[in-house]
Amino acid sequence: AQSVTQLGSHVSVSEGALVLLRCNYSSSVPPYLFWYVQYPNQGLQLLLKYTSAATLVKGINGFEAEFKKSETSFHLTKPSAHMSDAAEYFCAVSDRIQGAQKLVFGQGTRLTINP
Amino acid sequence: NAGVTQTPKFRVLKTGQSMTLLCAQDMNHEYMYWYRQDPGMGLRLIHYSVGEGTTAKGEVPDGYNVSRLKKQNFLLGLESAAPSQTSVYFCASTLDGIQETQYFGPGTRLLVL
Repeated sequence: AQSVTQLGSHVSVSEGALVLLRCNYSSSVPPYLFWYVQYPNQGLQLLLKYTSAATLVKGINGFEAEFKKSETSFHLTKPSAHMSDAAEYFCAVSDRIQGAQKLVFGQGTRLTINP
Repeated sequence: NAGVTQTPKFRVLKTGQSMTLLCAQDMNHEYMYWYRQDPGMGLRLIHYSVGEGTTAKGEVPDGYNVSRLKKQNFLLGLESAAPSQTSVYFCASTLDGIQETQYFGPGTRLLVL
């Protein structure tokens, strides 16, 4: 079965600093991987996804993630944090369940930006 | 194009009461899902549907029922609410395909006293 582990339930960075959110996955087949963001009191929206086309994936709002098969990782980065990046971030791996897509989510990482 | 909408946004129930959460999508998606979100646990799948008239159990289905009478709507029912069902509930929809993006509603916050 697929699984996802996000290292660090809470990450705090200064405005303008590098953002690094860690995600490791377990999958018996080539994975499809997703990063979703959840702003306060809102639903989840897609930041980016890896579907095997390229190992470096660029998403919205300046975020990107690199798929590293040897490390079973899909870490999310942004070179310079902005106050508006404060949110909760979820890594997910896609699996099949009786013909349907099933997303298996990590526990989430809450990102705080310090002025 | 509203995407995925959920009603109500917030509800307080007493133990033993029943309620129905409504999810609607206007993207003509075949697949729809109900999740619950609890602190430190990510999102867990309750039930899902692969098309009109179909439903199936996810990871945590106990205490919930669902119906998909119309393609655009997916209803989640709690027959006898329990405090353990206090949570934030999200609906999502997607096209067919393991690589497809799921689109989420804004959520329903439920408090069971």
